[in-house]
Amino acid sequence: DAGVTQSPTHLIKTRGQQVTLRCSPKSGHDTVSWYQQALGQGPQFIFQYYEEEERQRGNFPDRFSGHQFPNYSSELNVNALLLGDSALYLCASSLVGTSGGNEQYFGPGTRLTVT
Amino acid sequence: GQSLEQPSEVTAVEGAIVQINCTYQTSGFYGLSWYQQHDGGAPTFLSYNALDGLEETGRFSSFLSRSDSYGYLLLQELQMKDSASYFCAVLAAGNKLTFGGGTRVLVKP
Repeated sequence: DAGVTQSPTHLIKTRGQQVTLRCSPKSGHDTVSWYQQALGQGPQFIFQYYEEEERQRGNFPDRFSGHQFPNYSSELNVNALLLGDSALYLCASSLVGTSGGNEQYFGPGTRLTVT
Repeated sequence: GQSLEQPSEVTAVEGAIVQINCTYQTSGFYGLSWYQQHDGGAPTFLSYNALDGLEETGRFSSFLSRSDSYGYLLLQELQMKDSASYFCAVLAAGNKLTFGGGTRVLVKP
């Protein structure tokens, strides 16, 4: 049973560039949430995708956008990168509509460094 | 919006018991979750409380009081491998999880 996978593992970009991060949810899950985790802090909710639509959004600017594909995988795009965007980006999957919806499975994350 | 408060760090010896408290302010509250994260790793789910009371899962237990907007995670018979960060997280409408800042637990021999 494949868990949540993310790619790439690490990424280095320069200010002003754009980045795309990818996530494949755990088998059988239909919902993907994205989080940003700065060093020493808790994960901050960016947005959530279900049925290929953004359902919920946290306090992140429009530079952060995403997409969910018919196979439930998802992408996170960040435009016009800032130094402050350097963080660990976590993807979590869950299954809506069941009692398991409260348990989110996290991927290993993508470490983004902006220089 | 949501906000959560938990202690930043706790130190204890092997075999001891540690309680990590979490207070929250939120709207649309569904339940309180706890996650463990080792350095360099991903958060892993520990427990979820939707109703008042104590939930026990092996050495770990979690408690919730909805009227007090308060919960705690109890770690018993501490082991070295329990050294990690522990996050409380509020689950609200739409399966949105809001995390606290985390409590770093250091277990000493």
